[in-house]
Amino acid sequence: TQLLEQSPQFLSIQEGENLTVYCNSSSVFSSLQWYRQEPGEGPVLLVTVVTGGEVKKLKRLTFQFGDARKDSSLHITAAQPGDTGLYLCAGLYNFNKFYFGSGTKLNVKP
Amino acid sequence: AAGVIQSPRHLIKEKRETATLKCYPIPRHDTVYWYQQGPGQDPQFLISFYEKMQSDKGSIPDRFSAQQFSDYHSELNMSSLELGDSALYFCASSLRVNTGELFFGEGSRLTVL
Repeated sequence: TQLLEQSPQFLSIQEGENLTVYCNSSSVFSSLQWYRQEPGEGPVLLVTVVTGGEVKKLKRLTFQFGDARKDSSLHITAAQPGDTGLYLCAGLYNFNKFYFGSGTKLNVKP
Repeated sequence: AAGVIQSPRHLIKEKRETATLKCYPIPRHDTVYWYQQGPGQDPQFLISFYEKMQSDKGSIPDRFSAQQFSDYHSELNMSSLELGDSALYFCASSLRVNTGELFFGEGSRLTVL
């Protein structure tokens, strides 16, 4: 079983649409990161959220950490083909263990 | 800025052979992690080192071993290779006192024939 459950697993949308990816757990995390990975390459860190309720924006991407620090969401506005990739959430548990979510494969069609 | 360097980028081995992967963390990072990622899967944690000591162990097979050296680079040694070991192997480094951000290398793709 995954400590972090991501949904949806797959998402195929048209350019210009909005989407939200969820990362949920029953455990509390010290911090949570979102990564984007392209095929054959290493995950690239997008953002870290630390405080419950925290919201961070990165251009068209909005990240939110749940109040209880058990869940997070990634919202993309007006998706573009360049957003295509595997999105991974990862949580730091007890300040020394990282757990990855199962990933969301996003395909944005032009 | 310097990133995590992994070598080799690609490696092809026969079954039962051995392989060694190397990782050079970002300068001043004190923690190194190794992950294995199969096709279509999320990264699976293998092992981590903090200040040259093993700090945590995940789903690393007994056939695999790793260590971190005095210059903080790390090596993952894999013996008696099996077909199922074919995967992307990622190394990541972090500064432990930080909020826990991992910085990944570009990975080493191991193919076992």
